[in-house]
Amino acid sequence: ILNVEQSPQSLHVQEGDSTNFTCSFPSSNFYALHWYRWETAKSPEALFVMTLNGDEKKKGRISATLNTKEGYSYLYIKGSQPEDSATYLCASSPITGGGNKLTFGTGTQLKVEL
Amino acid sequence: GAVVSQHPSWVICKSGTSVKIECRSLDFQATTMFWYRQFPKQSLMLMATSNEGSKATYEQGVEKDKFLINHASLTLSTLTVTSAHPEDSSFYICSATQGSGAYEQYFGPGTRLTVT
Repeated sequence: ILNVEQSPQSLHVQEGDSTNFTCSFPSSNFYALHWYRWETAKSPEALFVMTLNGDEKKKGRISATLNTKEGYSYLYIKGSQPEDSATYLCASSPITGGGNKLTFGTGTQLKVEL
Repeated sequence: GAVVSQHPSWVICKSGTSVKIECRSLDFQATTMFWYRQFPKQSLMLMATSNEGSKATYEQGVEKDKFLINHASLTLSTLTVTSAHPEDSSFYICSATQGSGAYEQYFGPGTRLTVT
């Protein structure tokens, strides 16, 4: 993997469904993995920053896991609500450049319907 | 906390003119600010990194003479698109961080630039 790739590109779920997205990133020279939620006309909101292999973070109904050896991260949303509708972005940063130069994926657009 | 504002939110300008976009950290001091650009259906692409009081570092392929970045204070960075052309039409968004390394970057809401 040379770039950051996210799948699926878009997702429609019903309220109450649980869902998950995938982010693949270059495993070599890895420093950190960031997840953001981006609602239309708003600023991207930082969800998680993860650095260690096996890291698992949780914020309310949203959680994320990290596998740095194989270069992937999963974002889970439990019991999706309409307010979860947004584009979810992941970004990785390499060690070179101080660890804060983010390379973004194209995002997963989530639509939660009533 | 950790709010970043951007102004203007959208701007239309004529080809050949210059446009300035401001990025401000409202409730924290930003040691580093970043400028990204997003074309339709593409990902956010880092253009440059700026530290307060020093010259910006531009990513490969980004013309530093065309995209002038000034980070004059710990709360303000500006991006000036000089001699704008229609191909510069894009979504420009800034972010700021309080430290280096694996820190959260706080994003502004972005600026939609259209060059006619």
